[in-house]
Amino acid sequence: GNSVTQMEGPVTLSEEAFLTINCTYTATGYPSLFWYVQYPGEGLQLLLKATKADDKGSNKGFEATYRKETTSFHLEKGSVQVSDSAVYFCALSDITSGTYKYIFGTGTRLKVLA
Amino acid sequence: GAGVSQSPSNKVTEKGKDVELRCDPISGHTALYWYRQSLGQGLEFLIYFQGNSAPDKSGLPSDRFSAERTGGSVSTLTIQRTQQEDSAVYLCASSLGLAGGSYEQYFGPGTRLTVT
Repeated sequence: GNSVTQMEGPVTLSEEAFLTINCTYTATGYPSLFWYVQYPGEGLQLLLKATKADDKGSNKGFEATYRKETTSFHLEKGSVQVSDSAVYFCALSDITSGTYKYIFGTGTRLKVLA
Repeated sequence: GAGVSQSPSNKVTEKGKDVELRCDPISGHTALYWYRQSLGQGLEFLIYFQGNSAPDKSGLPSDRFSAERTGGSVSTLTIQRTQQEDSAVYLCASSLGLAGGSYEQYFGPGTRLTVT
């Protein structure tokens, strides 16, 4: 079945450090891939997405590239800020399997120190 | 405009009791999703609706769980004879249409259920 694996946290970085949060997936079809973010006390919100191989999603300085050959969708940011402290979830949706449900990873907590 | 709302925000119930969780999606959103987020776990898909129809109920953990949606709007998730392992945050999301690349899911704040 479909699955998402993302690196365990927490990840603690200093402000302006480079961020990578790894995400790999298993899917039977051709999934769309997503990163969602949950800021403290708030609901999940879409950060970025990519719907086909080699697509790059980007938003708020974050980016992730859909790599079919390595089945990965790693999240990166060149210079993190304290305000980026949140929990990040990688997810996939594989409509080619005939269903519209999303599969989420377990989340990675990021803490950025000033 | 108003986002997805859920009620109650917190619910504490005794083991064996039934609970109802409510979700009000964004107006005009035809697709609605329920997820469960347990401590240390990711989001577990439970069920989705397109309009009032639920084509995929495979995520419901047991027959104690059921959900309905009326009028293409409000949805209720019911858990009968609650067990301690049902304790989790239950999240609802809605989208303009069925998601999977075309439509973003908008999440509500969740209902934190504690079964004592």
